[in-house]
Amino acid sequence: NAGVMQNPRHLVRRRGQEARLRCSPMKGHSHVYWYRQLPEEGLKFMVYLQKENIIDESGMPKERFSAEFPKEGPSILRIQQVVRGDSAAYFCASSVQGGTEAFFGQGTRLTVV
Amino acid sequence: GESVGLHLPTLSVQEGDNSIINCAYSNSASDYFIWYKQESGKGPQFIIDIRSNMDKRQGQRVTVLLNKTVKHLSLQIAATQPGDSAVYFCAESLGGGGNKLTFGTGTQLKVEL
Repeated sequence: NAGVMQNPRHLVRRRGQEARLRCSPMKGHSHVYWYRQLPEEGLKFMVYLQKENIIDESGMPKERFSAEFPKEGPSILRIQQVVRGDSAAYFCASSVQGGTEAFFGQGTRLTVV
Repeated sequence: GESVGLHLPTLSVQEGDNSIINCAYSNSASDYFIWYKQESGKGPQFIIDIRSNMDKRQGQRVTVLLNKTVKHLSLQIAATQPGDSAVYFCAESLGGGGNKLTFGTGTQLKVEL
């Protein structure tokens, strides 16, 4: 059973470009969470999704950031018009419905130049 | 707002000694707590969890203690090994596991040979 898969592992974007981060949850998991981690800091919650629904986006910046988890395919975190402050590691986690443990992927390290 | 914080940013221990990593949380309504281990360049790895109706839980070489009176959480690692070197995060959530997590800032554990 493959774990949570994130791609790409590393992403470099110029200021103003768009970044698309993908997350495939563990098999059988229908809940997906996105977190952002700045260097030497803890993870900060961004958004919680179930299939085709955003459950909690209280940690998402109001502009430029969006997330989706379609019926088919991976969850996507999209950052439009990236700025240098968006440089961070973005982690995805998944859990079963009503489960007690969230499993994390290896993360996507976004660098904005 | 609510926060989860750690007392010590860096902990150095000798191989074979026991390690104790501490965490303070501020949200008395949190009912689920988790310790994660994060190695450089990797995603957080689940170590052990505990619910608020318990005050102690043991795993393999690890023990988590929860003191709700003073809102304190600790992780004890027995016979610390070089492979235990990593950053350790405590996290809390409301409504049981699988929901959004609030992470502390992390403690770097260094195991000296």
